[in-house]
Amino acid sequence: AQTVTQSQPEMSVQEAETVTLSCTYDTSENNYYLFWYKQPPSRQMILVIRQEAYKQQNATENRFSVNFQKAAKSFSLKISDSQLGDTAMYFCALHNTDKLIFGTGTRLQVFP
Amino acid sequence: GAVVSQHPSRVICKSGTSVKIECRSLDFQATTMFWYRQFPKQSLMLMATSNEGSKATYEQGVEKDKFLINHASLTLSTLTVTSAHPEDSSFYICSAQGDSGLSSYNEQFFGPGTRLTVL
Repeated sequence: AQTVTQSQPEMSVQEAETVTLSCTYDTSENNYYLFWYKQPPSRQMILVIRQEAYKQQNATENRFSVNFQKAAKSFSLKISDSQLGDTAMYFCALHNTDKLIFGTGTRLQVFP
Repeated sequence: GAVVSQHPSRVICKSGTSVKIECRSLDFQATTMFWYRQFPKQSLMLMATSNEGSKATYEQGVEKDKFLINHASLTLSTLTVTSAHPEDSSFYICSAQGDSGLSSYNEQFFGPGTRLTVL
């Protein structure tokens, strides 16, 4: 069975600081994709960053980067220079066999 | 990125009535659409996957006779909650996926969601 675990229900960070959100997963597949999605209060799901499992290099998107440890099945998200607009729910997700499996989410609060 | 719309954004209905939610891909053809359900402060749970022109595939535990899904065209899928009850109140989100072409991954684009409240 495929599972995605986010062990931090809530996190908080001060504006301009760095925060890391944790995610672990389990899959028997060798080819898969991992994602971080942001869901702000509007509830619209926004893709933050994507990682292909066959790529060793960690993905980066501006202030967002991941630490992908394939052997450990770990996929953490680092947000640098946090902004008030980063306040949202963040979901880690695993994709293979045409389905997205979501973690339970981490609520991130950025305060001034 | 591609745009997916949902209508209505919010609906309130009486217990026992049926409610239809539309999901449209506005600027691409969606060969596959997904329907998710999200309870307050919880994650997205996949309900079913629909491919254009064929029957939807439901996840375990989802009643196919209660949640009717139709994907009659490459730009429209509908979810009908039949004989709705208060426990069906939730946030319903659709996503659409086009033809991946040469890409090994087929991105899902999400709609803005529909909040259903059953009185």
